[in-house]
Amino acid sequence: SQKIEQNSEALNIQEGKTATLTCNYTNYSPAYLQWYRQDPGRGPVFLLLIRENEKEKRKERLKVTFDTTLKQSLFHITASQPADSATYLCALGLYNQGGKLIFGQGTELSVKP
Amino acid sequence: GAGVSQSPSNKVTEKGKDVELRCDPISGHTALYWYRQSLGQGLEFLIYFQGNSAPDKSGLPSDRFSAERTGGSVSTLTIQRTQQEDSAVYLCASSLEGTGVPGGYTFGSGTRLTVV
Repeated sequence: SQKIEQNSEALNIQEGKTATLTCNYTNYSPAYLQWYRQDPGRGPVFLLLIRENEKEKRKERLKVTFDTTLKQSLFHITASQPADSATYLCALGLYNQGGKLIFGQGTELSVKP
Repeated sequence: GAGVSQSPSNKVTEKGKDVELRCDPISGHTALYWYRQSLGQGLEFLIYFQGNSAPDKSGLPSDRFSAERTGGSVSTLTIQRTQQEDSAVYLCASSLEGTGVPGGYTFGSGTRLTVV
């Protein structure tokens, strides 16, 4: 069956450390993958997109990798801050599916001062 | 507008009643999506409109759910004969075009639907 799995447990890290969130997928062949941030009571906010033929993307303190052999994306936040505390969602975009995204269940990140 | 606007922000309805949820996308965005999110869960795809193409309705959970998009802009999601399992946050998003846009999708804040 098709699955997208993110870290099931909440991730607690100390301020200043690097947070690494995992997104694994099964029986999908995504054309691209996106990461979103969601705060309580709000809609998700787009962070980064990485395409199938790209290995890595960076944006300020954020870095995303995409390994289509391992069927995995890693999302890194360096020099994490308490303001980075939120739920992070990965989403797959598939070929021939237009703009439809398939979302993982999200990972809750808590950065402690 | 500046962002995606959804109304109402909260809706409490009695089981069996019909509800309408509204989404105003960003002006000029050709693609519009509806998702729903149950407590502690990820986003579940419902329906996707792209320009003048026939909508992708593959995510609608039952025939009680329908959506339309008038004039390529505002969209309404209708749930008929609501059930308690319909309780969730309904999220609308829009984007410039359908496929893998570098800027991603812009979501509204959602409508929290509670069926009692």
